[in-house]
Amino acid sequence: DAGVIQSPRHEVTEMGQEVTLRCKPISGHDYLFWYRQTMMRGLELLIYFNNNVPIDDSGMPEDRFSAKMPNASFSTLKIQPSEPRDSAVYFCASQNSRDRVKYGYTFGSGTRLTVV
Amino acid sequence: ELKVEQNPLFLSMQEGKNYTIYCNYSTTSDRLYWYRQDPGKSLESLFVLLSNGAVKQEGRLMASLDTKARLSTLHITAAVHDLSATYFCAVVSRSNDYKLSFGAGTTVTVRA
Repeated sequence: DAGVIQSPRHEVTEMGQEVTLRCKPISGHDYLFWYRQTMMRGLELLIYFNNNVPIDDSGMPEDRFSAKMPNASFSTLKIQPSEPRDSAVYFCASQNSRDRVKYGYTFGSGTRLTVV
Repeated sequence: ELKVEQNPLFLSMQEGKNYTIYCNYSTTSDRLYWYRQDPGKSLESLFVLLSNGAVKQEGRLMASLDTKARLSTLHITAAVHDLSATYFCAVVSRSNDYKLSFGAGTTVTVRA
């Protein structure tokens, strides 16, 4: 398995622009998580999905952030409009609920977002 | 809200010596994870600890869990340079055992 695949790896955008981050979870995993990592706040859970349905989006910082999971193999995290304080590394992770006791999440390589 | 605290946040190790990282959490949990992150890289799962008294070992790393004290430790034996990384503990709460809450991480640097 190729693991959790995120794209792009790096994104530099101007303030006010729309940014879309993409994630392909591991096949067969029924949970998908979006995390944000910054020096100041560490790893924050933004939202997670079960079987493509958003379960908890309480970590989404503002209405500028939205996430979708149209099918089991694809999810997006969109920021519109972007602001410099959104600069961070965004990780996607997935999990097979049947294995959650034995294994933690599997994380993707992350997208490093810089908003200038 | 589940809070996870790690200490120290930064740890400078001398090669060949032993060190311990501590992870405290605020509410009852049935599961604790340790992850490793190399600079600019993703998070790699190291250990899953499921019950009180659980101990897992891999190479120079050993993790243990005391659920009564709400404490986990990651012990490093005879530190070597390739253990330089950031180590995170993460905990699930009983109210939601799909949601991981992470500690702030301990950045380890091993010097000769």
